[in-house]
Parts: sequence; C-alpha cells; structure tokens
Amino acid sequence: GQQVMQIPQYQHVQEGEDFTTYCNSSTTLSNIQWYKQRPGGHPVFLIQLVKSGEVKKQKRLTFQFGEAKKNSSLHITATQTTDVGTYFCAGPSSGNKLVFGAGTILRVKS
Amino acid sequence: EAEVAQSPRYKITEKSQAVAFWCDPISGHATLYWYRQILGQGPELLVQFQDESVVDDSQLPKDRFSAERLKGVDSTLKIQPAELGDSAMYLCASSLGGSIYGYTFGSGTRLTVV
Repeated sequence: GQQVMQIPQYQHVQEGEDFTTYCNSSTTLSNIQWYKQRPGGHPVFLIQLVKSGEVKKQKRLTFQFGEAKKNSSLHITATQTTDVGTYFCAGPSSGNKLVFGAGTILRVKS
Repeated sequence: EAEVAQSPRYKITEKSQAVAFWCDPISGHATLYWYRQILGQGPELLVQFQDESVVDDSQLPKDRFSAERLKGVDSTLKIQPAELGDSAMYLCASSLGGSIYGYTFGSGTRLTVV
C-alpha cells in the first residue's frame, strides 16, 4: 500500500535557527496535508496543498508540494519555542482516507 | 471553533477487561475516523465511517475490536478483551467528506493496559 516517509525523524535546533522537514510518497498524491502535534496534544490541521509545485506560507511556515506531487516540505524560518512539537505529513490513500508519516519531532533550545 | 469531543481522556484497565471510547464529531461532518497512535509514531487508521456505514475497517483487529456509529453521528470504539499491546492513544477525527478536506482530531483517549 501507499507509504509516506518523513525525514528527519528528530531535529533539535537553537531558537532563531531554521528548520525543514521532508515528506516523500511512494505514489503520486492528489493532495498532501500537514499537521502539528504539540507534546501531550493531538494532531492539528495546518494546511493542504493540491497543485503541482504549489507553495503556501503561513507566517514563518512555508509549505511546498513537489512538481511530481510525490514529495513535500515544511520550512520554518527563525524557530521559536512555540514551534516545538511533531510535524506530520499525510496523503490520501485508496478509500478516501489519509495515511500519515511517522512525523518529525522538533525541539527548540532557547 | 467547533471541536471533536472524545471521552474518557485517560483510561487504565487490566488486561482481559473490556474498554470503550466515545467520540462526537463536528456537526455536519459525514466522515468519522478512529486512529491509533503509538508513542513516537504517526496515527494509523483503524476504521472509517461514512455516515453510519463502515467504509474501511481493514486494519481493525476484529477479533477484539468493534466500532459503531448507529445514527451516523457519535461513535463508540470497543476493545474486548484488552491486551497489553493495546496501550496507545486512540484518536477520533472527522471531516466534511473524506481526505480532500482537513481532518479535525479530538483530544484522544490515552489507554494504558496493565
């Protein structure tokens, strides 16, 4: 079945540094979604990308969807302690359901 | 902002006992999902409902797990008997209509089987 792989598994940055997580799918995706899960919390929807090569921004967060619609990235500029958490990408699979990656854990040192 | 309600928030049960979780999705959301999340991993789908019908339960261990959404609104997930390996976070999510929309997750039920 379809798999969604994320790298890195874990990243520890100094506050103010940038952070990027990458997501790769074994198949072409109709869309890709990103979620954030704070420690002890639940996943919260951040954004959905649909078009090939699409780039969307939310303040310091920049999301990209690859030209082949098989990969995506999330970049955070100048991380803050509030960015701490696990970032998941998710892509639709057969049966209209989302398959989640294993996530990238972000820790920020202040 | 509308929320997905889940209860209980935490549950500790002994192995071989029965346990049940409840979920009330956002009003108007036809699609409801139960996911299981093991610590350090991404959520994995257990069962998907469209209104009151099960669309996908291929990953649900049917010998011990059952799920229902009788009136197409709230849903219950049951485990009987619970095993040590069932310890995990059980997340309910809903969406307007499948994976073309973002999911709204509930706060989850943290299950510990002892």
